[in-house]
Amino acid sequence: GNSVTQMEGPVTLSEEAFLTINCTYTATGYPSLFWYVQYPGEGLQLLLKATKADDKGSNKGFEATYRKETTSFHLEKGSVQVSDSAVYFCALSAWPGSSEYGNKLVFGAGTILRVKS
Amino acid sequence: DSGVTQTPKHLITATGQRVTLRCSPRSGDLSVYWYQQSLDQGLQFLIQYYNGEERAKGNILERFSAQQFPDLHSELNLSSLELGDSALYFCASSVASVGEQYFGPGTRLTVT
Repeated sequence: GNSVTQMEGPVTLSEEAFLTINCTYTATGYPSLFWYVQYPGEGLQLLLKATKADDKGSNKGFEATYRKETTSFHLEKGSVQVSDSAVYFCALSAWPGSSEYGNKLVFGAGTILRVKS
Repeated sequence: DSGVTQTPKHLITATGQRVTLRCSPRSGDLSVYWYQQSLDQGLQFLIQYYNGEERAKGNILERFSAQQFPDLHSELNLSSLELGDSALYFCASSVASVGEQYFGPGTRLTVT
C-alpha cells in the first residue's frame, strides 16, 4: 500500500537558519502530495500541496517540489522563525488511476521542529 | 480556525466504556473524515462519509462505528474501550468526495 517516510526529529534550529525536512513516498502513479503543520494544542493546517510532477507548492515562505524521479517532496524554508516551531506532516492521497484511489490521506510520522531565538 | 468543530475537546473515561465524539463540518462541505493520532501508530485514517453514505474505510476497529446525519454532522462511536484507544481523534471535511481536507481541533480521549 501507499506510504510516506519522513526524516525523524526533532530538528532544532536557530532563528533565521535554513530548514529542510525530507519526505519520500511510495505510491502508484502520481499521488497528490501535501505538507500539514500542527501547532501545539491545535489541529492540522494545510501548509502547501502539489498535485503533479514538478509542481512547486509554496506558502508562508515554505516550499516543496514534487519530484517524481526521486519520489520526494522535501519541505524547505530559507529563514525559520521561532513561530515556525511545530510538528510537520508529509502526506499523500492516491492517484485516480490507482486501485487505492480515494481521498484518504496517508501521513508520515511527523517531524518536530524547534526553533530557538 | 478551519470552520470544522469537534466536541468534546477532552474526554476521560474508563476501560470497557462507550463514548461518542461529534464533528460538524465546514458549511457546505459534504464529506467528513475521521483520523486517529496516537503515539505508536501516528496519524491513521479511520473512515470517510460523503453526503450520509460511507465512502471509504481505513484501519477502523470493529468496536468503532461512525455515521453522518442528514444535517451532515458526524459522530464516531467507540465502545468496549481499551487503554490503547487513548489518542487524539481528528475530524476533517471537504466540499466533495475528493479535494482539500480541513481539520478540526481534535478530541483528546484518555482511557484509564
